[in-house]
Amino acid sequence: AQSVAQPEDQVNVAEGNPLTVKCTYSVSGNPYLFWYVQYPNRGLQFLLKYITGDNLVKGSYGFEAEFNKSQTSFHLKKPSALVSDSALYFCAVIKAAGNKLTFGGGTRVLVKP
Amino acid sequence: SAVISQKPSRDICQRGTSLTIQCQVDSQVTMMFWYRQQPGQSLTLIATANQGSEATYESGFVIDKFPISRPNLTFSTLTVSNMSPEDSSIYLCSVRKGDTEAFFGQGTRLTVV
Repeated sequence: AQSVAQPEDQVNVAEGNPLTVKCTYSVSGNPYLFWYVQYPNRGLQFLLKYITGDNLVKGSYGFEAEFNKSQTSFHLKKPSALVSDSALYFCAVIKAAGNKLTFGGGTRVLVKP
Repeated sequence: SAVISQKPSRDICQRGTSLTIQCQVDSQVTMMFWYRQQPGQSLTLIATANQGSEATYESGFVIDKFPISRPNLTFSTLTVSNMSPEDSSIYLCSVRKGDTEAFFGQGTRLTVV
């Protein structure tokens, strides 16, 4: 079975400060890892993914994430948060060559001016 | 990438009635998925819609309650049958292409009164 944990329900950060959203996963074999963002009354938008290769992946809107196999983590980061980054963020995992995407519980990010 | 059109975007329905949600993709895809999301919560996979065969349902979801059609590689419908207030949720259509990330429709916000 595969699972994803996002230990923080909400993250508060001041605009301009670094933003980190945590994610750990459990899956047998090699994982494919994803981050999605959801703005109010919108569908999910893809931010970035790790499939293979460089452990540091860069994505949309200045976000990046680092795959850490030993810690089974895939934390999302942004060096300088914007108020417009306030949204609901989901980490997701799929087993390589599998087809079921499993989502974490989501982390609400609030960036204050 | 894939562009997904989902409709209706929202609806308010009487209990005991049924609602059919449509999902149209701008290109042919093998895998289509239906998710349910309680407002502000994570996504739960309802079923995988397979073209030319019956949908594959996840634990806790049954065909009588959530019948799915997949008549071709660009279209699927999800019906929420005999609705009760507990079915009030956001329903999302999703597709994947090979090993890429999943793409999501904007969702259907259903309220059952």
